[in-house]
Amino acid sequence: DGGITQSPKYLFRKEGQNVTLSCEQNLNHDAMYWYRQDPGQGLRLIYYSQIVNDFQKGDIAEGYSVSREKKESFPLTVTSAQKNPTAFYLCAIGDTGREYGSEKLFFGSGTQLSVL
Amino acid sequence: GQNIDQPTEMTATEGAIVQINCTYQTSGFNGLFWYQQHAGEAPTFLSYNVLDGLEEKGRFSSFLSRSKGYSYLLLKELQMKDSASYLCAVRDSNYQLIWGAGTKLIIKP
Repeated sequence: DGGITQSPKYLFRKEGQNVTLSCEQNLNHDAMYWYRQDPGQGLRLIYYSQIVNDFQKGDIAEGYSVSREKKESFPLTVTSAQKNPTAFYLCAIGDTGREYGSEKLFFGSGTQLSVL
Repeated sequence: GQNIDQPTEMTATEGAIVQINCTYQTSGFNGLFWYQQHAGEAPTFLSYNVLDGLEEKGRFSSFLSRSKGYSYLLLKELQMKDSASYLCAVRDSNYQLIWGAGTKLIIKP
């Protein structure tokens, strides 16, 4: 079954704890993204990667870290430095269209992170 | 700063037509996207506009006017399953996506 898989669906973090959200894809896409979604706000970009072993900070990277050791995997770690981590986290892959700039995103099913 | 404006919530009746507007002020323009998101689920791609005019895809159509910084998503023959949030996003001159907060559409029988 091809696609993009996020896990877990729900995650709880204790004070001072780091937690890691998984994102795996088997569609052989180069570009992968992590977004955060809060109620009443647009999606905000945390990190993105366009090639293995390389990634770039997005608009709200502070308190987060990522790795891209394999093309298929782009895990996100929410560190204890992120003081307001409660949000819906979405991983996405980019499907480049014929026109440059027409890349559309395919999203995973999301992880709801809450603080205990 | 960059900004995308959409109504927060709209209500429509099953079988009717609804238009969801999106206005934007961004640093440059390289395309506008509409996504649908059901509660607690991932957004799914609906449409992409880069030139002025109307793009029709079944019951859904999307319109763009670059000179006015304006787009709308038109949904016809509304079904209960169309109850969802509709997200507008613009790709700016740096090819970064700027997202609106979304419009929650409620369909009533």
